[in-house]
Amino acid sequence: DAGVIQSPRHEVTEMGQEVTLRCKPISGHDYLFWYRQTMMRGLELLIYFNNNVPIDDSGMPEDRFSAKMPNASFSTLKIQPSEPRDSAVYFCASSLNSNAEAFFGQGTRLTVV
Amino acid sequence: GQQLNQSPQSMFIQEGEDVSMNCTSSSIFNTWLWYKQEPGEGPVLLIALYKAGELTSNGRLTAQFGITRKDSFLNISASIPSDVGIYFCAGPMWSNYQLIWGAGTKLIIKP
Repeated sequence: DAGVIQSPRHEVTEMGQEVTLRCKPISGHDYLFWYRQTMMRGLELLIYFNNNVPIDDSGMPEDRFSAKMPNASFSTLKIQPSEPRDSAVYFCASSLNSNAEAFFGQGTRLTVV
Repeated sequence: GQQLNQSPQSMFIQEGEDVSMNCTSSSIFNTWLWYKQEPGEGPVLLIALYKAGELTSNGRLTAQFGITRKDSFLNISASIPSDVGIYFCAGPMWSNYQLIWGAGTKLIIKP
């Protein structure tokens, strides 16, 4: 398996624009997680899905953030409108049911100017 | 809430030295995970521990699940330049699969 695949690797956008980050989890994994990493706050869980259903979105900073998982092999994290403080590295991770070991993608480095 | 205290925050060592870092919690964990993150990459799972007292090795890395289930340590023997990175401990919350993360230990190897 190729592992968790994220795109794009880098994204630079202007404040106010919509940003969409994409993730393909490892085939067969039931859980998908979206994390944000910054120097100040470290790794923060934004939202996670189980069998394509959002379970806990309490980490989503505000209504500008939304995430979907239309099928078992694809998820998106959308920020609309984007703000400079959203600049961070966003990671997607997946894991097997009943197994806490999460496998991470390479991340998307987002810069909002 | 549950928190993981990871120490030290950073380490400056000479190549060939052994390294030790640890994580402690005020709550019991059933699983301890150790990850390594290199610049520009996502965290990579190094070792997973599932039983109190368990000692597991992965090459030059050794990790132990504390008997009290509230701590874990990671040792790296005979460090080499490619060991540079940030090491994180993590454990799942009781109620769900949400991982709680330590703040990381940054390992720097002096040339």
